[in-house]
Amino acid sequence: GAVVSQHPSRVICKSGTSVKIECRSLDFQATTMFWYRQFPKQSLMLMATSNEGSKATYEQGVEKDKFLINHASLTLSTLTVTSAHPEDSSFYICSAPPRTTSTDTQYFGPGTRLTVL
Amino acid sequence: AQSVTQPDIHITVSEGASLELRCNYSYGATPYLFWYVQSPGQGLQLLLKYFSGDTLVQGIKGFEAEFKRSQSSFNLRKPSVHWSDAAEYFCAVGAPGGYNKLIFGAGTRLAVHP
Repeated sequence: GAVVSQHPSRVICKSGTSVKIECRSLDFQATTMFWYRQFPKQSLMLMATSNEGSKATYEQGVEKDKFLINHASLTLSTLTVTSAHPEDSSFYICSAPPRTTSTDTQYFGPGTRLTVL
Repeated sequence: AQSVTQPDIHITVSEGASLELRCNYSYGATPYLFWYVQSPGQGLQLLLKYFSGDTLVQGIKGFEAEFKRSQSSFNLRKPSVHWSDAAEYFCAVGAPGGYNKLIFGAGTRLAVHP
């Protein structure tokens, strides 16, 4: 099946620094990618929709200036957590539906665990 | 607003026993319904999905789910659980249409005793 990768898988940073997380579709193109956040023992919460060639769409309550999203190409979306704080520590997951599919199929990345000290 | 409820946070079953994971949804129309499994270090994997038609849906790894409109439920079942089924299971609902956003339930962690 289709593969989505995320890099890094785990990152630890100091408070106040910025962290970039990459989401790549390895064997298909995706005009749209989704970014989710998962707190320990909780569900995935949709943060934003990344759109190739246009601005990302953020869910209510998500700070777009804090979570910068760039959909650089049909196979790459990046999430940058700016001026990270300990409360930003979480598991970040991306997903991508292949642009050629007509059904609602998404492929998920393995996730990135962010720890802010 | 759309929402998904998974009443059971944690379930433990013996290997070989049957399994049912509950999922209830709230949505104005007939939604698209999904079950995903999440294993440590792995991305979420789609087990099965319901869009329309037959309300009993067969998925991978021997799982099935039944859509019951009257109960707003989409429970996941497996007749005989294997130790490798231990994982986190998420029910999700999506609006009909391409590239839809998914609303996830809180998840049910399944433990399997030998």
